[in-house]
Amino acid sequence: GQQLNQSPQSMFIQEGEDVSMNCTSSSIFNTWLWYKQDPGEGPVLLIALYKAGELTSNGRLTAQFGITRKDSFLNISASIPSDVGIYFCAGQLSGGGADGLTFGKGTHLIIQP
Amino acid sequence: DTGVSQDPRHKITKRGQNVTFRCDPISEHNRLYWYRQTLGQGPEFLTYFQNEAQLEKSRLLSDRFSAERPKGSFSTLEIQRTEQGDSAMYLCASSFSGTANEQYFGPGTRLTVT
Repeated sequence: GQQLNQSPQSMFIQEGEDVSMNCTSSSIFNTWLWYKQDPGEGPVLLIALYKAGELTSNGRLTAQFGITRKDSFLNISASIPSDVGIYFCAGQLSGGGADGLTFGKGTHLIIQP
Repeated sequence: DTGVSQDPRHKITKRGQNVTFRCDPISEHNRLYWYRQTLGQGPEFLTYFQNEAQLEKSRLLSDRFSAERPKGSFSTLEIQRTEQGDSAMYLCASSFSGTANEQYFGPGTRLTVT
């Protein structure tokens, strides 16, 4: 099946630092979404992107839909302890016929005291 | 609205038993999705409904799995003759067809097959 390559797999950062993670694919996507998941809970939608080149912010989070439609990145500014969790990128493949989202394997964000 | 709810949150069953999970979507959402998530992986799509019609099934949905949404509101996912490989988190999501890709997830049902 289609794969989304998400990197890095994990990040160890200090509180207050900025964070950047990205997602790439060999396939073209119509939509990119970013989710955060806490242990034992379902993913929570953070940002949805619909157009190539689109840059969208949600508080301290900023995400962009890549121009090639094959990648996306998420930035978190001035990280705080509650940012800890697993961040997933997800996409809706171009070409129709598949309404389920394809997810990456996640970036595990750990904030060191 | 309280969001997507799932019941039970945890289920432990013996291999070979049947299990059924329930999902209640956000009330105004007409699309409902089921995903499976194993440890260290992202969710994997299983199937989805628009209203009561099941419109798509993934190849991951073996013939031991069946999903229903009889009245276009809540949905059930049944797994027959469970196997240890079925142990996973089963996630339900819902969306409005106008913004179908903005899928909102429930807390999941953690299944452990012993």
